[in-house]
Amino acid sequence: DAKTTQPPSMDCAEGRAANLPCNHSTISGNEYVYWYRQIHSQGPQYIIHGLKNNETNEMASLIITEDRKSSTLILPHATLRDTAVYYCIVRGDFGNEKLTFGTGTRLTIIP
Amino acid sequence: EAGVAQSPRYKIIEKRQSVAFWCNPISGHATLYWYQQILGQGPKLLIQFQNNGVVDDSQLPKDRFSAERLKGVDSTLKIQPAKLEDSAVYLCASSIIAGGLGYNEQFFGPGTRLTVL
Repeated sequence: DAKTTQPPSMDCAEGRAANLPCNHSTISGNEYVYWYRQIHSQGPQYIIHGLKNNETNEMASLIITEDRKSSTLILPHATLRDTAVYYCIVRGDFGNEKLTFGTGTRLTIIP
Repeated sequence: EAGVAQSPRYKIIEKRQSVAFWCNPISGHATLYWYQQILGQGPKLLIQFQNNGVVDDSQLPKDRFSAERLKGVDSTLKIQPAKLEDSAVYLCASSIIAGGLGYNEQFFGPGTRLTVL
């Protein structure tokens, strides 16, 4: 069972920052937060992951609350190519590395 | 770097027929995964291999599904006999290793879309 809760859909204007929330209130101390996205007719693509610190890479930023019960994925300047389903996943470590996908958030970038 | 290759991309069969899917992971990736993605849902892990050994097949319907990874490289997933509810996209993914200190990016192939009539 997925351990995360995400809104089913969101819209964002092109060029604006897209902020995708995720609740993971039952996360345990050794579990990571992963984000993947799936563009139509493609396989999922890794975006970013974190444990407790905020993370940034060339694709996105990940903000994790201090209590680690929720996080936000930020796409700083959304483009039409960012239209996809975004999955927030809690993943364990050493012996519990399985990715359990929920239904994700369908993000639509509006021109 | 070549990605995960899968074939065929599309397959249409009638119920009770058999079907097989093929996956070639990224070179050097020890771990290979097969997922089933039903329309409107996220991918569901069917089986995970570490080299040519099975790590997790707890969600594989073993009465009709089978998978193998001979020589620890390519893998095939078979369904025999197929049912209507098997209509889905079958995704293959690979990663360098399983687990490790948190980082374990899985690289996904484009998937095979199966339609069972």
